[in-house]
Order: sequence, then C-alpha cells, then structure tokens
Amino acid sequence: QTVVTQEPSFSVSPGGTVTLTCGLSSGSVSTSDYPSWYQQTPGQPPRPLMRNTNERSSGVPNRFSGSILGNRAALTITGAQAEDESEYFCLIYLGGGIWMFGGGTKLTVL
Amino acid sequence: QVQLQESGPRLVESSETMSLTCTVSGYYIRSGYYFGWIRQPPGKGLEWIGAIHHTATAFSSPSLKSRVTISVDTSKNELSLKMNSVTAADTAVYYCARFVGNIFDSWGQGTLVTVSS
Repeated sequence: QTVVTQEPSFSVSPGGTVTLTCGLSSGSVSTSDYPSWYQQTPGQPPRPLMRNTNERSSGVPNRFSGSILGNRAALTITGAQAEDESEYFCLIYLGGGIWMFGGGTKLTVL
Repeated sequence: QVQLQESGPRLVESSETMSLTCTVSGYYIRSGYYFGWIRQPPGKGLEWIGAIHHTATAFSSPSLKSRVTISVDTSKNELSLKMNSVTAADTAVYYCARFVGNIFDSWGQGTLVTVSS
C-alpha cells in the first residue's frame, strides 16, 4: 500500500529558510498529484496553505512557497518566523478519487 | 463564508456503529464541490477518510472502505459519516471540510469521538 512520507521533524532559526518535503513510498510526486499543504497548531483544525503544488491560499504570507523538488513535493518557508512553528501536512492524490495525507512534519523555530 | 459543524455521540461502544453529521452553513452543498471527512487520532497525523459530491458520488479510503458510509442530504445541507465495527483505533477527532480546487479550504472545528471497550 502506498504511503505518503514526510520528515517527522525539522528545526529552523528565526529568519532562516527551511524546505519540508512530501514523497510517495512507491514512485514520484508530480504536479499531476495535486499536492497541497496544511498548517496545524495544537487544538486547531488544519489551515490550508498551498494547493496544486504552488498556489497559495488566501491570506498565506508569500514567505511560503511550493514546488516539486526531484521526486517530492516541497514547501519552503523563506524567512521563518516564530509563528510558523506548527505541524505541516501534505495531501496527495493517488488516483481513482483517493487522496492520502502524509504523516506530518513538526517544525520548530528556534 | 462557509461554516461546517460536526455533531454526534462523543462516546461509542466498541464494535458498535459511529454516526456523525456535518452541518454546512453559508454554502449550499448542491452548488457543487466535494465535501470530505478527515480524522486525527490524539497526538497523531491526519487521515483522509473519504469525500462526497452532492450528486452522491463518493470515494473512501481503501483501508476504511469496508466499514465506512458517507452520504449527503442536500435538503438539510448536511453530510454524514457512518463507521461500523469501531475499535479503540477509531478514537480520533473527526473533521468535515469542503474540498475546492484540490484543497480542503474550509474546516469544521472537529469533534472528538472516543471508542470505549
């Protein structure tokens, strides 16, 4: 069974740049898999960040950007701020109407 | 502005059937778009359960498909989730969300369902 993989954790200094990635246990992620990204803080529902690889949702700061890096979807935060400390999830289309979330990456800003 | 609210029993007995409802306001389900169910066990990640269109076209996660029924009632502007034969592993916060342009753009606050043995 296909699994969507993400780094379990990442750390970035304030003002620094970090790239979180999202891959498939079998195969590559492409734009045709419509990767999207969500940010979640404890006790809150996820907040949509990015759709279709690189389209920012309304109100999302432009320090967030999306891309395909090699065979993985990527979310880059350029100039990280303390408020970016959250858990980040990707969502990938597997085909046949089926979607799957990655396991999430806990981002620490310190 | 679309709003979604999950409701249903917070405690379900093991092996029983869990039923949740998502009431949508500020948007008519019959206008289009898919609506989905997502769950999150305490301290763990998100799991896509499934999604449904107002035409009743529905998709479910292969790992849950045999136990899950997703339905929609456009007259009440609601969608529903039923999951049978629940176990402790089904204890989670259950979210409903609207799916637009390949992203869940609006989410309910979620409801914690605990399966007791």
